[in-house]
Amino acid sequence: AQSVSQHNHHVILSEAASLELGCNYSYGGTVNLFWYVQYPGQHLQLLLKYFSGDPLVKGIKGFEAEFIKSKFSFNLRKPSVQWSDTAEYFCAVRTVFSGGYNKLIFGAGTRLAVHP
Amino acid sequence: GAGVSQSPSNKVTEKGKDVELRCDPISGHTALYWYRQSLGQGLEFLIYFQGNSAPDKSGLPSDRFSAERTGGSVSTLTIQRTQQEDSAVYLCASSPPGRAQETQYFGPGTRLLVL
Repeated sequence: AQSVSQHNHHVILSEAASLELGCNYSYGGTVNLFWYVQYPGQHLQLLLKYFSGDPLVKGIKGFEAEFIKSKFSFNLRKPSVQWSDTAEYFCAVRTVFSGGYNKLIFGAGTRLAVHP
Repeated sequence: GAGVSQSPSNKVTEKGKDVELRCDPISGHTALYWYRQSLGQGLEFLIYFQGNSAPDKSGLPSDRFSAERTGGSVSTLTIQRTQQEDSAVYLCASSPPGRAQETQYFGPGTRLLVL
C-alpha cells in the first residue's frame, strides 16, 4: 500500500532560521506531490504542488520543495522562517487509479513552532 | 468565490447516537472527498464522489459510516451508533473537472466529539 512518511513530528526554530521538512513516499509509479499547511484555527491550504517538469517547485510565502525521484522524496524548504510560519505542515501524494479518479495519501504532519 | 463549507463546525454527541455531517463543495466542482483527521495522526481518506456516484469507498472504517451526494453538489456523511473512537475532525474537499481535478480544496472541517 502507498504510504507517506514525515520524519519530523515537531520542529522548533527561531525566526530567520532555515527550514527543511522531510517527506518520503512509497509509491513507485507516477505520482503528484503536494504540501498543505494548516495555520492555527484555519483550514488546510495548498502550499505548493509538483506534477511534472522542473523538480524544484516554488510555492506561496517563500516555500519551495524538491522532488528527487531516486530518493522518493519531496522535502519542503524555506531559507528564513518567520513567526507567522507557525503551523502544521502535511505532505501528500496523489495516486491515480483506473477511471481517472484519485485520492490523496497524507503524511502524519509536522508541527512547526517558530519563536521570535 | 466561496470556498468549501462544512456544517456543523463542532458536534458533541453521546456514544450510540447517529450524526450527520454536511459538506457544500465549491460551485462547479465535480469531485468531492471526505477525510478524517484524528488526534496526532494525519489525514485519512474515507470516500470519493464523482458527481453523485462513489467509485471509491475504500476508506470508510466500518459499515456504520455512509455518505451520499445529491444533485452533484451537497454531500452528507452519516455515522451511525457513534463510538468514542469516531472522535476526530472530518474534512471535506472538492476539486474541479478535468486536469484541474488534481488539486483538492479543503473545507474548515467538522470537529466531532463522542462522549
